[in-house]
Amino acid sequence: QTVVTQEPSFSVSPGGTVTLTCGLSSGSVSSGYYPSWYQQTPGQAPRTLIYNTNSRSSGVPDRFSGSILGNKAALTITGAQADDASTYYCVLYMGSGISVFGGGTKLTVL
Amino acid sequence: EVQLVEAGGGLVQPGGSLRLSCAASGFTFSSYAMSWIRQAPGKGLEWVSFISGRGDSTYYADPVKGRFTISRDNSKNTLYLQMSSLRAEDTAVYYCARGPTYCSSTSCYNFDNWGQGTLVTVSS
Repeated sequence: QTVVTQEPSFSVSPGGTVTLTCGLSSGSVSSGYYPSWYQQTPGQAPRTLIYNTNSRSSGVPDRFSGSILGNKAALTITGAQADDASTYYCVLYMGSGISVFGGGTKLTVL
Repeated sequence: EVQLVEAGGGLVQPGGSLRLSCAASGFTFSSYAMSWIRQAPGKGLEWVSFISGRGDSTYYADPVKGRFTISRDNSKNTLYLQMSSLRAEDTAVYYCARGPTYCSSTSCYNFDNWGQGTLVTVSS
């Protein structure tokens, strides 16, 4: 069974930079998994931030960026703002319509 | 503007059935694969099921295989999820989402639009 791993929580100071990661329980994450990232605040539907490793979805500020770092996908927030406090989910596409979500990273900005 | 509106959630007893629907607008529905994704209370997101644009390919997560059926009516721009033999652990908000689809300028094997979700509660 494929398990996608994310840090359960992270904290960043306002104006600071934070990098959240997305790994595989066995193996490396590559662009071939088309990593995507979603932001969700309580009571709201998820919002697409990043797709295809590093492409920003329409309307997403350029302080959000995606990449592959080592053997993981990464989401970097540069110049964090208070309203970036959310839970961030990584998704890897396994092919044949099957996607696997990571457990999510709850980001605190303080 | 792309809109996805789920309906059909509610309270159902264990072992019961429920059918969710997702009305789509603002895009050519038949050109896009669609998925259902759920979120149990206080938990993370979980992919549930996928259907191709023509409806000829479907896939399911292991926890729902054999109990849930995804379908679509392209003439009505509507996606469905028929849920049977429901269990307490199926309690969740169910989202419909567009994708994953082939790479284009605006998406690439991701979920690019989401509905607001509908709550399914399985309890006696």
